[in-house]
Amino acid sequence: DGGITQSPKYLFRKEGQNVTLSCEQNLNHDAMYWYRQDPGQGLRLIYYSQIVNDFQKGDIAEGYSVSREKKESFPLTVTSAQKNPTAFYLCASSPERGFTEQFFGPGTRLTVL
Amino acid sequence: GENVEQHPSTLSVQEGDSAVIKCTYSDSASNYFPWYKQELGKRPQLIIDIRSNVGEKKDQRIAVTLNKTAKHFSLHITETQPEDSAVYFCAASMIFNKFYFGSGTKLNVKP
Repeated sequence: DGGITQSPKYLFRKEGQNVTLSCEQNLNHDAMYWYRQDPGQGLRLIYYSQIVNDFQKGDIAEGYSVSREKKESFPLTVTSAQKNPTAFYLCASSPERGFTEQFFGPGTRLTVL
Repeated sequence: GENVEQHPSTLSVQEGDSAVIKCTYSDSASNYFPWYKQELGKRPQLIIDIRSNVGEKKDQRIAVTLNKTAKHFSLHITETQPEDSAVYFCAASMIFNKFYFGSGTKLNVKP
């Protein structure tokens, strides 16, 4: 299960606070992704990045922000503008721009208190 | 954008029976269809995928079929075992590697 890591595993946030979720990969993958998973729903794309210093909004980007300053790292910030942030967050990466497997990290469970 | 629907949401089978999960997609431009398995508390992992130029693909007890005309694809698991119990997600992709996921099927294999 090595290669792509996320931290922390569990995160608790008070309302009004911004929090940053970490995602690191040592697979030398160009592309990275952030998904949100809610009970009974599939994975929904928040942001994705095809290359360093470039990223695109996914389907549910409102209230989230990302950066891609290094190939290995793609941190996600959940801002206070996200009205319902309690969810399971998954980071993924893939080796090339074409159609290929995405490798997932172990996830971070965020709970707003 | 693409819309992927997945059925059923839950599926219980007896060990040794077959299980079939079906997905439909809306955009005929989609041309890559992966299936992921997510065990409880773990990360999703790819189990099989198919591209639009292929109608069927098999890997031991797992197979995927694709009907481009009808815009649906299915996962078939034969001789199910308790360790097959998990949530299964289908996905469709048409550009880059942007996946649209189905809502998931919780498969329970009863010993």
